[in-house]
Amino acid sequence: AQSVSQHNHHVILSEAASLELGCNYSYGGTVNLFWYVQYPGQHLQLLLKYFSGDPLVKGIKGFEAEFIKSKFSFNLRKPSVQWSDTAEYFCAVLQTGANNLFFGTGTRLTVIP
Amino acid sequence: NAGVTQTPKFRILKIGQSMTLQCTQDMNHNYMYWYRQDPGMGLKLIYYSVGAGITDKGEVPNGYNVSRSTTEDFPLRLELAAPSQTSVYFCAVGGQGAPGELFFGEGSRLTVL
Repeated sequence: AQSVSQHNHHVILSEAASLELGCNYSYGGTVNLFWYVQYPGQHLQLLLKYFSGDPLVKGIKGFEAEFIKSKFSFNLRKPSVQWSDTAEYFCAVLQTGANNLFFGTGTRLTVIP
Repeated sequence: NAGVTQTPKFRILKIGQSMTLQCTQDMNHNYMYWYRQDPGMGLKLIYYSVGAGITDKGEVPNGYNVSRSTTEDFPLRLELAAPSQTSVYFCAVGGQGAPGELFFGEGSRLTVL
């Protein structure tokens, strides 16, 4: 079965600091990759996605992620975080043609004003 | 346009009781999913449906049942509640035509004592 690893469980940053959250997956075939975000008290929503093409994808709110196939990674980055980025971030992987989206365990980000 | 609506938002059950978590969507998506979210464990797929009358098991289906008689509704039933089913349950829709792009409900927090 697919597994998705997010090694950072809780990250605490000051505003304006740069962010990088790690995501690694286990499947060796073709995959689609996603980052979802869950703001406090809200439902999960899609932050960005990678299907094919340029491995550097940009999402909402200044977030971006880079797909590195050789490392089975899809790390999330943001150059300068804001207090409003405080949330839980989930990496997710979908094997091409499958219906089951596999989620990582999530990384809680706390941004201190 | 409510999107994905889950009821109830909170529920406490005694061991052995049964209940149904309701999920209704007005987004006209054929694909619907039930996930559970446990602390430090990420989201796990319980059941999914690709259309009315069609359901299939996900990663963790034991102890649950689903039905899909209409496009709009996808209820999740717990027949004999157990403490291991204490969790937050999320219904999601989407994925058809846009694989992995899901719209989530706000969640239902279930505690089994």
